[in-house]
Amino acid sequence: DAGVIQSPRHEVTEMGQEVTLRCKPISGHNSLFWYRQTMMRGLELLIYFNNNVPIDDSGMPEDRFSAKMPNASFSTLKIQPSEPRDSAVYFCASSLMQGARETQYFGPGTRLLVL
Amino acid sequence: AQSVTQPDIHITVSEGASLELRCNYSYGATPYLFWYVQSPGQGLQLLLKYFSGDTLVQGIKGFEAEFKRSQSSFNLRKPSVHWSDAAEYFCAVGPNTGNQFYFGTGTSLTVIP
Repeated sequence: DAGVIQSPRHEVTEMGQEVTLRCKPISGHNSLFWYRQTMMRGLELLIYFNNNVPIDDSGMPEDRFSAKMPNASFSTLKIQPSEPRDSAVYFCASSLMQGARETQYFGPGTRLLVL
Repeated sequence: AQSVTQPDIHITVSEGASLELRCNYSYGATPYLFWYVQSPGQGLQLLLKYFSGDTLVQGIKGFEAEFKRSQSSFNLRKPSVHWSDAAEYFCAVGPNTGNQFYFGTGTSLTVIP
């Protein structure tokens, strides 16, 4: 299996621009998670989906952030407009929830720099 | 409230020495526990996990961890550290119900020759 795939791996943009991060979960997994990692705040859960439905988006910083999962094999995290404080590494993870036992598998991350 | 504490922000060990990384958790039910490793510029890789059964679990790369319910701990150990083990290590707990995982703040490991 190819594992969780994220694109782009690196993104540099200017403040005010729209940024779209993409994630392809492991085939057959039914849960998908978006995390943000910074030096100051560590690893933060932004939102997660179960069977393509957003379950908990309480970690989304503000309305500038939105996430979608139109089907089981694709998700996007969009920031519009972007700000310098959004600079971070964004990870996508997926899992197969079987009862309560599951293991999350992480993608390589997208390193975002907003100038 | 559920939480994970990794008391050591940074640890330095000599190559060949033994290693123990500490993890304490607070969880309302039977925890499912994980250790992940993150090499510079990389994503998080699963080292090992505990769901139930034998409290000493073996993982990849020669790592093991022991679940101690009485101490609410899940410490990671390795008998002999290699230079390639230098990385950030994250302990995580969950989920018992729902999907929520809780990650510790991480321990950065430096290995010196």
